[in-house]
Amino acid sequence: DAKTTQPPSMDCAEGRAANLPCNHSTISGNEYVYWYRQIHSQGPQYIIHGLKNNETNEMASLIITEDRKSSTLILPHATLRDTAVYYCIRQTGGSNYKLTFGKGTLLTVNP
Amino acid sequence: NAGVTQTPKFQVLKTGQSMTLQCAQDMNHEYMSWYRQDPGMGLRLIHYSVGAGITDQGEVPNGYNVSRSTTEDFPLRLLSAAPSQTSVYFCASSPPPSIFYNSPLHFGNGTRLTVT
Repeated sequence: DAKTTQPPSMDCAEGRAANLPCNHSTISGNEYVYWYRQIHSQGPQYIIHGLKNNETNEMASLIITEDRKSSTLILPHATLRDTAVYYCIRQTGGSNYKLTFGKGTLLTVNP
Repeated sequence: NAGVTQTPKFQVLKTGQSMTLQCAQDMNHEYMSWYRQDPGMGLRLIHYSVGAGITDQGEVPNGYNVSRSTTEDFPLRLLSAAPSQTSVYFCASSPPPSIFYNSPLHFGNGTRLTVT
């Protein structure tokens, strides 16, 4: 039970924004939303996380709905190197060492 | 900083053989964990440790042993390898979280194990 729901795959044109949705309708008040990605054959890489406010860093933006039941990861200008599996994960502050990963979304960025 | 280092990168075992997958981190992280990833699947937690001398089971612990004698190292032992243990194994570490911040996991690049 991954506790989040993501589409299995998405396509995006190079240079365009990639918007990856995640449903976490049963999220608790103390659970953060974390995003990781896994580029082929490598270990997962942390992207961004948030609790209830929108967040932005050098890699991406995270938009969390007001009711916190869903979120969207935005890669503003996707490149071919952004092709990867993206995982959306719920995580309480005290359990970061035992995350539950689902199957994620395979994002394919096309030239 | 090397981050999280896993060795070996590839390994082939015969059924019944034993081996140890090594994981070392140089970030002084207290938390470490082992995941396995099968084709088309997400990562599943095998064992984890919240500090030296403390380990606990994750979602799929059967067939694996761990120990944590130092902060830096967290080896995973397969006592009697089975074909069902053919997988990619990832080690991860993080500092302990606090009320002031969350701590993302730092992953190694995996060990690809085949059991014949």
